[in-house]
Amino acid sequence: NAGVTQTPKFQVLKTGQSMTLQCAQDMNHEYMSWYRQDPGMGLRLIHYSVGAGITDQGEVPNGYNVSRSTTEDFPLRLLSAAPSQTSVYFCASSYLYPGTGDSPLHFGNGTRLTVT
Amino acid sequence: KQEVTQIPAALSVPEGENLVLNCSFTDSAIYNLQWFRQDPGKGLTSLLLIQSSQREQTSGRLNASLDKSSGRSTLYIAASQPGDSATYLCAVPMNAGNMLTFGGGTRLMVKP
Repeated sequence: NAGVTQTPKFQVLKTGQSMTLQCAQDMNHEYMSWYRQDPGMGLRLIHYSVGAGITDQGEVPNGYNVSRSTTEDFPLRLLSAAPSQTSVYFCASSYLYPGTGDSPLHFGNGTRLTVT
Repeated sequence: KQEVTQIPAALSVPEGENLVLNCSFTDSAIYNLQWFRQDPGKGLTSLLLIQSSQREQTSGRLNASLDKSSGRSTLYIAASQPGDSATYLCAVPMNAGNMLTFGGGTRLMVKP
């Protein structure tokens, strides 16, 4: 059981380049989300999805796009990378909304992104 | 807006000590509270989830308690070991439960 798988683990981009961070889960979870983790800022929610075809914005959505065409995959797209997007990005999933009932959040191991 | 605070930010203890990590939150209307562990360079691992109807949850040497009315949770680690060294984060829901707000974490070092 792989859980939540993120690729790549490391990435360096130049300002203005675009890229897609991949996230896949094999637990049949309906809820998937993307966080960024920055020193002194903690974990902040970028976008989330409550099922295939449904996405919504989190706290810091600007500069990022998402789509959810299947239950398993939830890619995060940076359209035009900026140095402010240098961060560690985590994908997380849960069976239900993580803030309701008994539905713990499962995290991937992260993608460390540097934008120069 | 839900705000979550964890005190202390860092803690260093000798092996074998019992210790308590604290988490406080401003909006007590929550459905659950989760405690996570993060090892350097890794993602977060869920340790315990306490539902609002529960007062505590236990897993091995870990015990988490929840006092909604006072906006507080504690994570108790018994007989600490060097392998417990990690950052511990708590998280509570906001916006009807579809998002979590995380505390800044407590970085724990257990010395042999």
